[in-house]
Amino acid sequence: EAGVTQFPSHSVIEKGQTVTLRCDPISGHDNLYWYRRVMGKEIKFLLHFVKESKQDESGMPNNRFLAERTGGTYSTLKVQPAELEDSGVYFCASSRLGTGFYEQYFGPGTRLTVT
Amino acid sequence: DQQVKQNSPSLSVQEGRISILNCDYTNSMFDYFLWYKKYPAEGPTFLISISSIKDKNEDGRFTVFLNKSAKHLSLHIVPSQPGDSAVYFCAALYNNNDMRFGAGTRLTVKP
Repeated sequence: EAGVTQFPSHSVIEKGQTVTLRCDPISGHDNLYWYRRVMGKEIKFLLHFVKESKQDESGMPNNRFLAERTGGTYSTLKVQPAELEDSGVYFCASSRLGTGFYEQYFGPGTRLTVT
Repeated sequence: DQQVKQNSPSLSVQEGRISILNCDYTNSMFDYFLWYKKYPAEGPTFLISISSIKDKNEDGRFTVFLNKSAKHLSLHIVPSQPGDSAVYFCAALYNNNDMRFGAGTRLTVKP
C-alpha cells in the first residue's frame, strides 16, 4: 500500500508569488489533514477534509491560503500571494473514516521557502 | 497559545541507556496523547499513544507515562539504540479533535 505522497518536496518562490502544494492520501482514506511546521516550532493543524468537504479549517492562518479536495481524492493547498512568514514545512496526513486523528499517516512534507 | 510544550529541544544519550523525553500540557480537557517520531526529510510516524484513563502504556522498548495531575507525560526508551536518533513530537487530542503538537525534541543516541 502506497503511503501519503506530497509534491513538490521543496519549493522556493519569491514573496508575492503563488505556490500550489499537492497531497495524495492513502487510497481509501477519506480523512485528509494539512499541517505546517514553521522554523522548527510545533506542528500546527491547518485544516481537515472529510472526503471533499472541509470538516474543520480553524487552523488556516488567513485568506491567502486556499485548500481544495475536489472529488475527495487528492488535495491542493494554494498560497497566494506568498509572504516570508509562510516559509516552513507543510505536512499532509490521511486516515480512514472513523479513526480520525488516532490513526493518521503523514506524508514526507513540502518544504516551502519564500524569499 | 501553545497548549503542548516540549521544553527540551535536544537530548543526547549513550547507546544502551535510557532516553526520557518530556512533554507538558495546559489543557485538562485533552483525553488522548500520542508520540510521533520523525526522521529528516520524512513525515512524522506514529510511535505510541495513551488514553487519559491510563497512566502507562508500554510497547517493546517504548513506554509512555501520563501524570494527569501534573499535566505531564513522558516517553521512555530502554535501551536506546542509534536508530532511535530522530525528532520526537508529543501530541494531544480532545474528543478525537483539535490536535496539538509540541515543538519536538531531537534525540541523539551515541554509539
